[in-house]
Amino acid sequence: AQKVTQAQTEISVVEKEDVTLDCVYETRDTTYYLFWYKQPPSGELVFLIRRNSFDEQNEISGRYSWNFQKSTSSFNFTITASQVVDSAVYFCALNILTGGGNKLTFGTGTQLKVEL
Amino acid sequence: GAGVSQSPRYKVTKRGQDVALRCDPISGHVSLYWYRQALGQGPEFLTYFNYEAQQDKSGLPNDRFSAERPEGSISTLTIQRTEQRDSAMYRCASSPRQGISGANVLTFGAGSRLTVL
Repeated sequence: AQKVTQAQTEISVVEKEDVTLDCVYETRDTTYYLFWYKQPPSGELVFLIRRNSFDEQNEISGRYSWNFQKSTSSFNFTITASQVVDSAVYFCALNILTGGGNKLTFGTGTQLKVEL
Repeated sequence: GAGVSQSPRYKVTKRGQDVALRCDPISGHVSLYWYRQALGQGPEFLTYFNYEAQQDKSGLPNDRFSAERPEGSISTLTIQRTEQRDSAMYRCASSPRQGISGANVLTFGAGSRLTVL
């Protein structure tokens, strides 16, 4: 069975601080995909990144960066110089390749609050 | 349409009533998914379709839940004899290609928030 753990329920930071959201996953499959989605206060789910299990290169997109470490089954997300607009719930999700379809297994989410 | 559209956005119903939630996926998207998200939790898979065919309904909690997509576009999730535990956000998502596991990004709608009194 697949599992995604986001141990941080809520994080509060002051604007311009850097913040890292942790994600640990469990799967016995060797081929899988990992995702991060953002849920702002308006409620929609917004795709941020997809990474497959064969690509352990870290990725940077503006103020966002992701650190994928297969050895520790972690896919952590860092926001540099956080802004109030970053306030949202962030979900990490896992999809294995067997079985067909995109049956994502989501973590319980981390609520990020960025204050002035 | 430009995005995944869901209606109604909010639905309040009394226990025992049936409800139907509608999803209009992105035009041309082959795959359509239903997820349920309880308060404070991540979304959980319910069912998905490729075109009009329901490929997997393993996440439907019981036989009061059903879904259809008769023409391969709009989908309806129906909950019969609603119970208070059915209260949640119901999210629809679509993707452009059929079931290539893990390769596709799901685009989610804003969701339908169901409250059962």
